[in-house]
Formats: sequence, C-alpha cells, structure tokens
Amino acid sequence: DTEVTQTPKHLVMGMTNKKSLKCEQHMGHRAMYWYKQKAKKPPELMFVYSYEKLSINESVPSRFSPECPNSSLLNLHLHALQPEDSALYLCASSQRRGNQETQYFGPGTRLLVL
Amino acid sequence: AQTVTQSQPEMSVQEAETVTLSCTYDTSENNYYLFWYKQPPSRQMILVIRQEAYKQQNATENRFSVNFQKAAKSFSLKISDSQLGDTAMYFCAFRGAQKLVFGQGTRLTINP
Repeated sequence: DTEVTQTPKHLVMGMTNKKSLKCEQHMGHRAMYWYKQKAKKPPELMFVYSYEKLSINESVPSRFSPECPNSSLLNLHLHALQPEDSALYLCASSQRRGNQETQYFGPGTRLLVL
Repeated sequence: AQTVTQSQPEMSVQEAETVTLSCTYDTSENNYYLFWYKQPPSRQMILVIRQEAYKQQNATENRFSVNFQKAAKSFSLKISDSQLGDTAMYFCAFRGAQKLVFGQGTRLTINP
C-alpha cells in the first residue's frame, strides 16, 4: 500500500480566511513533505518533517504553518494568503529522510486564493 | 547544487509506438537515486521507476525502462508499446543527500 491521502481536493479561500490542508499516510513512513506546484512547473519543496520534527523549512512565508500531530498526519495551516499562493499543494511521505528513500505523493489540494 | 535538465518540453507519439524521454543531471555526489514520476491530468504524482546510482543494471518496470549512463549523467526513460493512459507530464528527479530535485518536466501526449 503506497497511498497518501489529502483533503480537501479543492479549496477556495479569501485573503482573510484561515484554512487547513490535511495529509495522511498509514505506511509507517517517518518523513513527510509539503510541496507547492504551480501550473506546468515541477513541485517546489516547502517543508520536511522527520520523525515528527520539522527538519527543513525552505524559507516559506509565515502565512504557511505546518504541523505534524503524529507520525501519520501532516497539516498545513493557511492564514492571510495572497492570490499568488494559488497552486496545487502536494503532500508526500517516505520511509525516512535520506537519499535512499522513495517519496510517495498524495493527489494534492487545488487551492485558489481570491 | 544538483540540477536536473529535461530538454524536451513536449513530445507526441502514436499509440503503440516507443518513446524515449531524456534527462540529464549534474552532481558531485556518488551515492544517489534517480526517479521518473508521472503526473497525469488527474494531477496525482505517480512513481514510474527508480534507479540506484550504484547499480549498473538498468531498472525496468513492465513497459517502462531506463537507460542510466552514470559517467554521462544521463537517465532516459523508454516507454514501449505506449498507451493512451501514458499521456501525462513526466518529471525526472534526483535524490542525493539533500532534497528531491525535479526537472522541468516533459509533457507527453499519446495519440490514438
């Protein structure tokens, strides 16, 4: 089973809203990732959690706030977003963080900021 | 820093034909992994195939195979007997000591 699930599939929010994206995996993976993908571009890494601790923050603005409540769940809290934040947000997981690890991706959340 | 280059922004072939997607990368590391991911219009990023740099044998997964040339830092993907469902964006990716680095992608269209 290599399934990573993400909710919601689509999200429309205003610039003053607060919303959260959720990601879940039950593969026993201990590393989880958030990526942002603009149309016709490759995914860009935002955050990495390893053993439920934030290990990488790719200089992401503070209006994006990640959270890893347990080893299976990863959230991305959104607040005061800008229209340019509209994108596909992908979650991924891997057994561990390291160059031997294969990342498996969820289906993504399509976010539109108005 | 590692870079991954996919020189073909778009490709189009007829169903049942064989197609090869190109990928080159640049790294000073010796121990790394290479991947091909497929992203159809449904947008899910799906792992197609992976290659360990220390293995000389090219990876194969059913109709998908790679031509891994370590000295040339080349990692091409061959799709045999292409099917309509192979229509997707294909990303080559490099995984070294740091993060997963993606190429810009190749949009592949399989025509009936």
